[in-house]
Amino acid sequence: DTEVTQTPKHLVMGMTNKKSLKCEQHMGHRAMYWYKQKAKKPPELMFVYSYEKLSINESVPSRFSPECPNSSLLNLHLHALQPEDSALYLCASSQDGIAKNIQYFGAGTRLSVL
Amino acid sequence: EDQVTQSPEALRLQEGESSSLNCSYTVSGLRGLFWYRQDPGKGPEFLFTLYSAGEEKEKERLKATLTKKESFLHITAPKPEDSATYLCAVQGWVGATNKLIFGTGTLLAVQP
Repeated sequence: DTEVTQTPKHLVMGMTNKKSLKCEQHMGHRAMYWYKQKAKKPPELMFVYSYEKLSINESVPSRFSPECPNSSLLNLHLHALQPEDSALYLCASSQDGIAKNIQYFGAGTRLSVL
Repeated sequence: EDQVTQSPEALRLQEGESSSLNCSYTVSGLRGLFWYRQDPGKGPEFLFTLYSAGEEKEKERLKATLTKKESFLHITAPKPEDSATYLCAVQGWVGATNKLIFGTGTLLAVQP
């Protein structure tokens, strides 16, 4: 089973709202990722967690706040977003080994900021 | 700087018309090259990973090959359900991170 589950599937929020995206995997993977994808563009890496510690932050604005409560869960807290933040947000997970590091993606959360 | 270029940007085929998608890459030590399929509004679905030049992988109508500079995704006798965007990504050894560098994808449309 290579399933990564993301909730919600769709989210509409105003610029003053606070919301959270959730991601869950039960494959025993110790690396988890957040990506942002705009229409007709490839996924852009935002954050990487390795063994529940933030290892990469790709200079993401502070209105995006990641959290990894345990090895199976990854959250992305959203606050004071801008309309240009509207996109498909993807979560992925992988083993954190050196070899054969395949990232498996969830179906994504479609975010619209009004 | 690690870079991935995919061609063509878009490809329209008739059902049964075989073709190939190209992924050219430059990377400071290839750790892995990955092919994903992405349907509209969905997350990328893993297809193949290749690790060294000369390696080939097959799955149903798809076959991925790898050289030191590029990878090809060969599609044999495609069906309409093969229509999707195909993404290529590389992972390098420099920095020893798990970061994937994606190409911009090839949008494949297979007409019945």
